[in-house]
Amino acid sequence: DGGITQSPKYLFRKEGQNVTLSCEQNLNHDAMYWYRQDPGQGLRLIYYSQIVNDFQKGDIAEGYSVSREKKESFPLTVTSAQKNPTAFYLCASRDRAVGNQPQHFGDGTRLSIL
Amino acid sequence: GQQVMQIPQYQHVQEGEDFTTYCNSSTTLSNIQWYKQRPGGHPVFLIQLVKSGEVKKQKRLTFQFGEAKKNSSLHITATQTTDVGTYFCAGPGKNYGQNFVFGPGTRLSVLP
Repeated sequence: DGGITQSPKYLFRKEGQNVTLSCEQNLNHDAMYWYRQDPGQGLRLIYYSQIVNDFQKGDIAEGYSVSREKKESFPLTVTSAQKNPTAFYLCASRDRAVGNQPQHFGDGTRLSIL
Repeated sequence: GQQVMQIPQYQHVQEGEDFTTYCNSSTTLSNIQWYKQRPGGHPVFLIQLVKSGEVKKQKRLTFQFGEAKKNSSLHITATQTTDVGTYFCAGPGKNYGQNFVFGPGTRLSVLP
């Protein structure tokens, strides 16, 4: 069954701690995205990657870092520099080989501060 | 910078009433996509519009892309409780469509 898997579903972060959110896809998509969603708000782009070993900052990249060492994986690290990390984090992927394709989203990770 | 706005922010309707949400972009869009997010869920793609003035229908949902390709609308006829959720529009970002800009969404509540 193809899709995008995000883990964990819930995550708690202590002050000064870095945490990493996992995103894995078996759709063979080149493009992957990380969004942040605050309660009652829309999606804001954190980082995106079009190919392996390449990624670009989105609108709110400060306090976050990513890597794209494999096509299937695009982990997001929320660093201690992100002072307000509590949010719902969504990972998405897209087949950029065909024009104008939609994004497919994972089930998300809810991050809270302890 | 590029902005995508949606109105209304919230809409409460009685089951059976119609519902419309409007999406407006500060720039011309090559295409526009609509997504639905159920409470507690993730966004799910509904449809994409590409042509100026395009109208597409999916059962009770009608999507329209403006002539100037800067606005779009989603109309639901005779809402049902299964229509509850937040509806987002999204357009290609400045980076040659490699990124996307989402509107803030319209949250629809349907009272039985």
